[in-house]
Formats: sequence, structure tokens, C-alpha cells
Amino acid sequence: AQTVTQSQPEMSVQEAETVTLSCTYDTSESDYYLFWYKQPPSRQMILVIRQEAYKQQNATENRFSVNFQKAAKSFSLKISDSQLGDAAMYFCAYPSQGGSEKLVFGKGTKLTVNP
Amino acid sequence: DAGITQSPRYKITETGRQVTLMCHQTWSHSYMFWYRQDLGHGLRLIYYSAAADITDKGEVPDGYVVSRSKTENFPLTLESATRSQTSVYFCATKVNSGANVLTFGAGSRLTVL
Repeated sequence: AQTVTQSQPEMSVQEAETVTLSCTYDTSESDYYLFWYKQPPSRQMILVIRQEAYKQQNATENRFSVNFQKAAKSFSLKISDSQLGDAAMYFCAYPSQGGSEKLVFGKGTKLTVNP
Repeated sequence: DAGITQSPRYKITETGRQVTLMCHQTWSHSYMFWYRQDLGHGLRLIYYSAAADITDKGEVPDGYVVSRSKTENFPLTLESATRSQTSVYFCATKVNSGANVLTFGAGSRLTVL
């Protein structure tokens, strides 16, 4: 079975500082996308960032960036200048093997931002 | 309003009862999905649909039934609810082209007593 592992159930960061959330996955595909979703207390799932596996350059969206290491099958999310509104559950996801329309999600990392 | 609408947002039922969770999209996205979210498990796929009248099982389909007679609707039915089906249920659609970007509904919290 395919797995997505988020090894940090909980993380905390001080406001304005930087935090990195880790994610590893298992696939034999060569071309795929990877995603980070955010779930604030409102429960709404929000796409934060996505990475195309065939691209060497790490994706960046404002304060959010990824460190994608394809050979290591690692896809970490870096949040710079953390804000109180970043407090949420963060889920890493990638397409199910053999069924690229389906996403497999990790168990999530709960991020707390301290003022 | 455009987007995905899930109803009801909250539901309490009893063991053995039938429950249907509704999902409606105002786009014409081909793909629709049902996930359940449980503490310690993240989101797990229950069923998905590639188009009207085409559905397939996901990771945890047992105890659930889906149908998709119209592109815009994808109801999820628990034919005989069990306590283990207490969860938050998310419907999602996929943009037809490009990356597998899922857009989620607001979720339905179901409690089975």
C-alpha cells in the first residue's frame, strides 16, 4: 500500500520565525505532483502549494516554499515569517499509484503559532 | 453560489439508520470524491467518480454506497450506520485538466450514537 508519512504529529513555532514540516512518500512513478493542504479550525481544506516532480526548482508561494528531494522521496514545507493565521493542520498528499486522479494523504501535522 | 456544497453540515443519527450525505457542485468537474477524516488517520478515500454513472471504490468503501446520476451531484449513503462511521466527511472535485488539484467542500460532521 502506498504511504505518505508525516513524522511530526505536532509542531510549534514563534510568530515571525520559520518552521519546516516534513513529509516522505513512497511511489515508483516518475512524473507526479505533490501537494500541501492546510486545514484551519474552520475545517476547510485549502491548497497551500504544489510541486511537479519533474521540475528541479522548488515551488514557492509567498511565505510558503518546499524542499523537494525526489531521490529521497521527501517533500517538506517551509513556512517563513510565521503568522498566527498559519496555525492549522497541514496535510501532505500525492496521487495514488495507478490512479492519478486520487490523492493519498498523510495523517497531518498540527502547527501551533505562539505570539 | 459557485463551488461545492455539502449537506447537512452536522448530523446525529443512531446505529442502524440510513443516512445520506449530499454533495453538489456548480462547476462541471468530471471527478468527484468522498473522503473521511478521523483523528490519527488523516483523510481516507471512500469512493470516487470519474463521470456521471461511473463510480469506483477507494481505500475504505465498506458500509457506504454512492451514486452519480447527474454530473453535479454525488451523494454518499450509509445504509446501516455504525459507530465506527462517526467521522467528518469531505466531498471534493477535481479540476478537469492539469494537476490533481482537489477542491473541497466544507465537510459534514456525522455522529452515530
